[in-house]
Amino acid sequence: AQSVTQLDSQVPVFEEAPVELRCNYSSSVSVYLFWYVQYPNQGLQLLLKYLSGSTLVKGINGFEAEFNKSQTSFHLRKPSVHISDTAEYFCAVSIIQGAQKLVFGQGTRLTINP
Amino acid sequence: EAQVTQNPRYLITVTGKKLTVTCSQNMNHEYMSWYRQDPGLGLRQIYYSMNVEVTDKGDVPEGYKVSRKEKRNFPLILESPSPNQTSLYFCASSLERTYNEQFFGPGTRLTVL
Repeated sequence: AQSVTQLDSQVPVFEEAPVELRCNYSSSVSVYLFWYVQYPNQGLQLLLKYLSGSTLVKGINGFEAEFNKSQTSFHLRKPSVHISDTAEYFCAVSIIQGAQKLVFGQGTRLTINP
Repeated sequence: EAQVTQNPRYLITVTGKKLTVTCSQNMNHEYMSWYRQDPGLGLRQIYYSMNVEVTDKGDVPEGYKVSRKEKRNFPLILESPSPNQTSLYFCASSLERTYNEQFFGPGTRLTVL
């Protein structure tokens, strides 16, 4: 079975500061990796995904993530955050072979302070 | 506009009163899924459907039922709701392959008294 651990439940940062949201996963088979964002009172939307190839993946709104197979990590980064980035962020995995299923981490609440 | 819709968005009910939360998508997606979101637990899958008349249990199926009679609709049924089913529920859909993005509905906040 797969599992996802997001190491920080809350991350407060100041506006224009860099941020990193950490995600580690566990799986005995190869996986695809995703980051989703949930703005207040909304559903989730995809930020970025890693399928194969370059380990550095760029997504929407200036976010990027790096896949590290040896450390089974997929950390999300942004060099300079804005107030509008305040949201909850979810890391998720799905196995490459088999039924479509996403396994989510617990979520990280990113709060941007002016 | 491509979207997943859920109704109702908010629902307060009492223990034991059967309810249905509807989910509909207009993207001709084969795959649909229901999740519940609880603080500190992230999203957990309740049921999923790979296509019409094909459904299967997710990680937390107890107390829920689903059906998939049409490709676009995937209702979630609580036959006898209990307070531990108070949660935020999301429906999602995607194309069949596991690398595809799942599109989420806006959520249904359910309170069972």
